[in-house]
Amino acid sequence: GENVEQHPSTLSVQEGDSAVIKCTYSDSASNYFPWYKQELGKRPQLIIDIRSNVGEKKDQRIAVTLNKTAKHFSLHITETQPEDSAVYFCAASTLFSGYALNFGKGTSLLVTP
Amino acid sequence: EAQVTQNPRYLITVTGKKLTVTCSQNMNHEYMSWYRQDPGLGLRQIYYSMNVEVTDKGDVPEGYKVSRKEKRNFPLILESPSPNQTSLYFCASSLWQGFAGELFFGEGSRLTVL
Repeated sequence: GENVEQHPSTLSVQEGDSAVIKCTYSDSASNYFPWYKQELGKRPQLIIDIRSNVGEKKDQRIAVTLNKTAKHFSLHITETQPEDSAVYFCAASTLFSGYALNFGKGTSLLVTP
Repeated sequence: EAQVTQNPRYLITVTGKKLTVTCSQNMNHEYMSWYRQDPGLGLRQIYYSMNVEVTDKGDVPEGYKVSRKEKRNFPLILESPSPNQTSLYFCASSLWQGFAGELFFGEGSRLTVL
């Protein structure tokens, strides 16, 4: 099945700096790549997603880029704020696997004031 | 309010005592799934269901059962719980339109098996 690797496992940045989290996937047929944010003690929630026919997508301070050739995608958070502190999960899904959404192991982001 | 509801939220039980974690969604979603979350391992899929009476194994199905008799409910059954099933469990649902979309998660159920 699909294998999703996520790096780094922990990331600490100063408020206002940028944060980048990278994921690689193994199945070249994967075509959907969401990112979920999980605040401490809360449920995961979708923050942005991208499909394989798009190379980049932005939503305010958050952007996701996809490189299908290299089979990796990244989450970029600019002008980080303390409320961005959370665990972020990437995932990949293949249409023909019946929506088996495979998650990376997560990145714990800490934004210090 | 659109939501996925899990019960119980917290449970401490003993090895071998059957238990059921209920999951219900009010969004008329076709797709429902169970995940377990363990430190350092992320979210791992246990079972999923594409529609009523259609269920399939995820990555870690051993020791679990599910059923989907109604569209809104997707209970997770642990017939004989063991300590390695101590975990945080999430139910999730999505409007399946032939392609993947946003997963809506429940608040989680923290299970401890002694």
